[in-house]
Amino acid sequence: DIVMTQSPDSLAVSLGERATINCKSSQSLLYSSNNKNYLAWYQQKPGQPPKLLIYWASTRESGVPDRFSGSGSGTDFTLTISSLQAEDVAVYYCQQYYNIPPITFGQGTRLEIK
Amino acid sequence: QVQLVESGGGVVQPGGSLRVSCAASGLTFSSYGMHWVRQAPGKGLEWVAFIRYDGSNKEHADSVKGRFTISRDNSKNTLYLQMNSLRVEDTAVYYCVKELYDVLTGPQEIFDYWGQGTLVTVSS
Repeated sequence: DIVMTQSPDSLAVSLGERATINCKSSQSLLYSSNNKNYLAWYQQKPGQPPKLLIYWASTRESGVPDRFSGSGSGTDFTLTISSLQAEDVAVYYCQQYYNIPPITFGQGTRLEIK
Repeated sequence: QVQLVESGGGVVQPGGSLRVSCAASGLTFSSYGMHWVRQAPGKGLEWVAFIRYDGSNKEHADSVKGRFTISRDNSKNTLYLQMNSLRVEDTAVYYCVKELYDVLTGPQEIFDYWGQGTLVTVSS
């Protein structure tokens, strides 16, 4: 199974500042035949189901604000929120869909306002 | 708009059985692979099971294999999860999830729509 490890487990960022969440996979998520990284990011607010933010490591889902961006390749990935808003307080998860089953998620990163 | 509405959760004793359902609307249900993902109280996300759009292929996580069975009825736009031999550690919110169809690469295990979830509590 591919193990997904996020860092940090939690972070506090001031409003308007940049937030960066990292995700590392135990094996490469880059599929050489199409040059795509099989990595997605989700946001989960309290009492709500997760919401898809990013897939193919850097493709923003329709309707997601452009302050959210994804980067990285192979085994190391980053979700960046360029200017933190109050509504971004949530837990963020990365997920691999390269080698399934099973589909695996990171443990989550809790983002709060400093 | 796409709606996924789970039902059937509740309290069950260890060793018991329960079937949860997911009613889908706002999409051509028979065109999409579907999944169950669970979340134990205060914990992270765990993938549970997958079923191909036509029901011809199913996969289950090792933690539930032999105890849980995913199925679907495309005539009723409904997804099911039959849970047998339930354990305390199966206590979780169970989410019904639709996978994305990418125009270039086809169906992918990217979860673009989630239901609100149904809580299953296994306790004596």
